[in-house]
Amino acid sequence: ELKVEQNPLFLSMQEGKNYTIYCNYSTTSDRLYWYRQDPGKSLESLFVLLSNGAVKQEGRLMASLDTKARLSTLHITAAVHDLSATYFCAVFLTQGGSEKLVFGKGTKLTVNP
Amino acid sequence: DGGITQSPKYLFRKEGQNVTLSCEQNLNHDAMYWYRQDPGQGLRLIYYSQIVNDFQKGDIAEGYSVSREKKESFPLTVTSAQKNPTAFYLCASSINQESGNTIYFGEGSWLTVV
Repeated sequence: ELKVEQNPLFLSMQEGKNYTIYCNYSTTSDRLYWYRQDPGKSLESLFVLLSNGAVKQEGRLMASLDTKARLSTLHITAAVHDLSATYFCAVFLTQGGSEKLVFGKGTKLTVNP
Repeated sequence: DGGITQSPKYLFRKEGQNVTLSCEQNLNHDAMYWYRQDPGQGLRLIYYSQIVNDFQKGDIAEGYSVSREKKESFPLTVTSAQKNPTAFYLCASSINQESGNTIYFGEGSWLTVV
């Protein structure tokens, strides 16, 4: 059974600081997704990482994937208040001809002035 | 515009009632999914469907049922057997592309038991 673990689950940081969210998964997969969710809203796609060593950046967020370590990171640079949200990683599992997306529990990020 | 439409956005259910959440997509995607999200929690997979007339149970299928009679539609019925149905329900669809599966989510449906 695929398990996806994120840490930390809660993160409070000051504006201007840097921090990294970690996502570990237990089974081989070559596709990893990062999503953002604002309170009461649906999920917004941030990044799709498809291969070992993949790195993608958008604004103050940068995501990377190490398939050998089964680890993805989401790095936040010089955080601003607008980044406050819950961030989820999700891993695509292919099993017996079917495919499904398995989510971590999410990291609730609060950026304080 | 192409996308996924979920309805209703808010639904109240009485004890013992079955309710159905609608999910329609006009993206021509083959695969569709239903997830449940409890407050402060991640998303858990209820059911998914790779093609029309076929679907598989996810991790928490008990008390739920689905159908996939049309490619565009994947309704979820929350039956009276689901003892704690109050949650946020998200429908998603995906298509295989060279750049990886593109996955789209609907806006979600809030279900509350009264």
